[in-house]
Amino acid sequence: DGGITQSPKYLFRKEGQNVTLSCEQNLNHDAMYWYRQDPGQGLRLIYYSQIVNDFQKGDIAEGYSVSREKKESFPLTVTSAQKNPTAFYLCASGTAETQYFGPGTRLLVL
Amino acid sequence: GQQVMQIPQYQHVQEGEDFTTYCNSSTTLSNIQWYKQRPGGHPVFLIQLVKSGEVKKQKRLTFQFGEAKKNSSLHITATQTTDVGTYFCAGPSPAGTYKYIFGTGTRLKVLA
Repeated sequence: DGGITQSPKYLFRKEGQNVTLSCEQNLNHDAMYWYRQDPGQGLRLIYYSQIVNDFQKGDIAEGYSVSREKKESFPLTVTSAQKNPTAFYLCASGTAETQYFGPGTRLLVL
Repeated sequence: GQQVMQIPQYQHVQEGEDFTTYCNSSTTLSNIQWYKQRPGGHPVFLIQLVKSGEVKKQKRLTFQFGEAKKNSSLHITATQTTDVGTYFCAGPSPAGTYKYIFGTGTRLKVLA
């Protein structure tokens, strides 16, 4: 748990606006992930990255974009194309044996 | 595609009662992981099982991996209010070692 930070804790988005969620880890993990969680639901994979400068789409990548320029950082942009962005966004880093999650960002649409 | 289902979806128990959640995969898994998410919190890794038929214990929690490596269970003995939360299992996707598919989760409420 410690070693992964997400900011901000809460984020408000206006119509037509792109917003970027930050995720940083100091655990020296190669793999990083973004998940979306809707109220009372499970985790759905948006994007993941196994190595710097490379990332793959998950199950619900439409309307989202990511970059992996540094091993420690994996920011997620929620674009205006994502029509229903209100959710709890969880970033994780890990190995083949486990994942460590950050505290999450709650995104709300105004 | 690969699916990981959990039952039950919800469970309410009286404090002191036992609880079990079951995880079933549509494909054979090389390993399975279990996570706990407290209300309002984020998932926290509990354990990984790798071997067929493996059983591991953590205090009041007992984890099992099926012989066919397609199912798993988590059993809590004598539940406490601190056990409240949602329990998820996760298995690796055939698409890649680092991609995991999370189960649907079982939400546990413990009544004092």
